[in-house]
Amino acid sequence: GQQLNQSPQSMFIQEGEDVSMNCTSSSIFNTWLWYKQDPGEGPVLLIALYKAGELTSNGRLTAQFGITRKDSFLNISASIPSDVGIYFCAGPNTGGFKTIFGAGTRLFVKA
Amino acid sequence: DAGVTQSPTHLIKTRGQQVTLRCSPKSGHDTVSWYQQALGQGPQFIFQYYEEEERQRGNFPDRFSGHQFPNYSSELNVNALLLGDSALYLCASSLGEDWQFFGPGTRLTVL
Repeated sequence: GQQLNQSPQSMFIQEGEDVSMNCTSSSIFNTWLWYKQDPGEGPVLLIALYKAGELTSNGRLTAQFGITRKDSFLNISASIPSDVGIYFCAGPNTGGFKTIFGAGTRLFVKA
Repeated sequence: DAGVTQSPTHLIKTRGQQVTLRCSPKSGHDTVSWYQQALGQGPQFIFQYYEEEERQRGNFPDRFSGHQFPNYSSELNVNALLLGDSALYLCASSLGEDWQFFGPGTRLTVL
C-alpha cells in the first residue's frame, strides 16, 4: 500500500535557525498535507498542497508539492520555542477516503 | 464552536475487556474518521463513517467496530483488548471529503 517516509526522524535546533524536513513516497499522491501535533493534542493542519510544483506559505512555514508528486518538503524559518512538536506529512490514499500519515519529524528548539 | 470532542480523555483496561470511545464532530461536519496512534508513530486509519455507514476500513481486525449516530457523533468499540491496543485513539471530522479536524484523542492503556 501507499506509504510516506519522513526525514529526519528528529531535529535539535537553536532558536532562530531555519528548519527543513521532507516526505517521500514510492507512489503518487494528488494532495499533500502537513500537520503539527503538540503533546496531548490531536494533529492540526498547517498547510495543504493541491498540485505539483505548488509552493504555499503559512506565516513562517513554507511547503512545496514536488514535481514528481512523490515528495514534499516543509520549511520553518526563524524557529521559536513554540515550534516544538511533531510534524507529520499526510495524504489521501488514491481512490479512497483514508488519510495516510508518515511517522513524523520531532522538532526540538533550544532557546 | 467546540471543535471535535472526545471522551474519555484517559482509560485503563485489562486484557480481554471491551472498550467504547466516543466522538462528537465539529459543528456542521458529517463525516467521522478514527485513527490509532501508537507511541512514536503517525496516526493509522481505522475506519471512516458517513451517513451512519462504514465507508472505508483500514487494516484492523474485526475486534474494532464503530457506529455513527443520526447527529453524526460516533463510537469506536474494541473487543477482547490486547496489550498492543494501547495507544492514542484520535477522532477526526470533516464535511464530506474536505479536510479533517482532529480531536485531542483518548489515551487507552491496556494492562
